[in-house]
Amino acid sequence: GENVEQHPSTLSVQEGDSAVIKCTYSDSASNYFPWYKQELGKRPQLIIDIRSNVGEKKDQRIAVTLNKTAKHFSLHITETQPEDSAVYFCAASNDYKLSFGAGTTVTVRA
Amino acid sequence: DTAVSQTPKYLVTQMGNDKSIKCEQNLGHDTMYWYKQDSKKFLKIMFSYNNKELIINETVPNRFSPKSPDKAHLNLHINSLELGDSAVYFCASSPHAASNTGELFFGEGSRLTVL
Repeated sequence: GENVEQHPSTLSVQEGDSAVIKCTYSDSASNYFPWYKQELGKRPQLIIDIRSNVGEKKDQRIAVTLNKTAKHFSLHITETQPEDSAVYFCAASNDYKLSFGAGTTVTVRA
Repeated sequence: DTAVSQTPKYLVTQMGNDKSIKCEQNLGHDTMYWYKQDSKKFLKIMFSYNNKELIINETVPNRFSPKSPDKAHLNLHINSLELGDSAVYFCASSPHAASNTGELFFGEGSRLTVL
């Protein structure tokens, strides 16, 4: 089955700096890679996703890159703001099952 | 207008009891899921139903029994509760049948505490 590893587990950044979270996956058949954000006490919500035929996708201050050869993908948040503080989950799907990484707790320091 | 709603939001019970969590989605999606989030925040899929049929059943103890009376509802019944069952249980739905290449819409979660 798919195994998704996510690093780091915690990340503290100064407001205005960038944050990068990296994930690797094991199943070469995986073709869909979403990222979810979960604020404290709330539900996970999709913030961005990328499919296997695309190498990079950007949406305002967040971007995701995918390297299918190396089987890794990353989330980049630029100009971080206090409201970016949350747990971020990467995930990988092979059309059958979505497997989540263990999550990264991001804290943005004012 | 809540898209995916679950009840109850909080549940505190004694070991050995039986409890149920209900989930309903009004998005017209074909696929519904139960995820368990433990104290370390790890999100693990338990079950997935597509149009009332079970399609994913992870290695979950058979004390956990999902039931889907129709494609808008997926309930979770847990027998003989154990301390390790304490977690937040999230219901979710997605539009695509049998495929996970689409957004998951999560409910607000049900926090189960077993004493």
